[in-house]
Amino acid sequence: DAGVTQSPTHLIKTRGQQVTLRCSPKSGHDTVSWYQQALGQGPQFIFQYYEEEERQRGNFPDRFSGHQFPNYSSELNVNALLLGDSALYLCASSLADGYEQYFGPGTRLTVT
Amino acid sequence: RKEVEQDPGPFNVPEGATVAFNCTYSNSASQSFFWYRQDCRKEPKLLMSVYSSGNEDGRFTAQLNRASQYISLLIRDSKLSDSATYLCAVEGNAGNMLTFGGGTRLMVKP
Repeated sequence: DAGVTQSPTHLIKTRGQQVTLRCSPKSGHDTVSWYQQALGQGPQFIFQYYEEEERQRGNFPDRFSGHQFPNYSSELNVNALLLGDSALYLCASSLADGYEQYFGPGTRLTVT
Repeated sequence: RKEVEQDPGPFNVPEGATVAFNCTYSNSASQSFFWYRQDCRKEPKLLMSVYSSGNEDGRFTAQLNRASQYISLLIRDSKLSDSATYLCAVEGNAGNMLTFGGGTRLMVKP
């Protein structure tokens, strides 16, 4: 049973650039949530996708956008990168009517 | 006040000890509660879900106190391998966002 996968594992970008992170949910799951985790802090909710629509959004600027594909996989896009965007980006998958969310290994983004 | 608060620790305990962490939440409408374990530079892994008053899984017991708006995690007979950061998470409604605390760091020493 395949778990949540994310790519790439690590990424180094320069301020002002754009980045796309990818996530494939756990088999059987249809909902994908994205979180940002800065060093020494708990994950912070960015947004959640279900049926290819953004269902809920956290307190992040619209530089952060996403997409969900018909196969339930998802992308997170961040434009105009800032140094403060350096973090571990986590994808979590779940069932639409379920409570438990399972995390992928994350993408570590460094902005220089 | 933060929505979900945890004592950051670290909690330094000897092997075999019993240790307990608390997590307080501010939203009284919160429906579901979770404990995740996170090892250094890894993803959070779901440890326990707490839907009613509490539940137990081996050496781990989680309890929910809705009146005082906190959840707790008790670890009995601590192992070296229990050393990690323990994150509590709170969910408002099914399928909605998780709000995490900052995590509590546990170090179990021989």
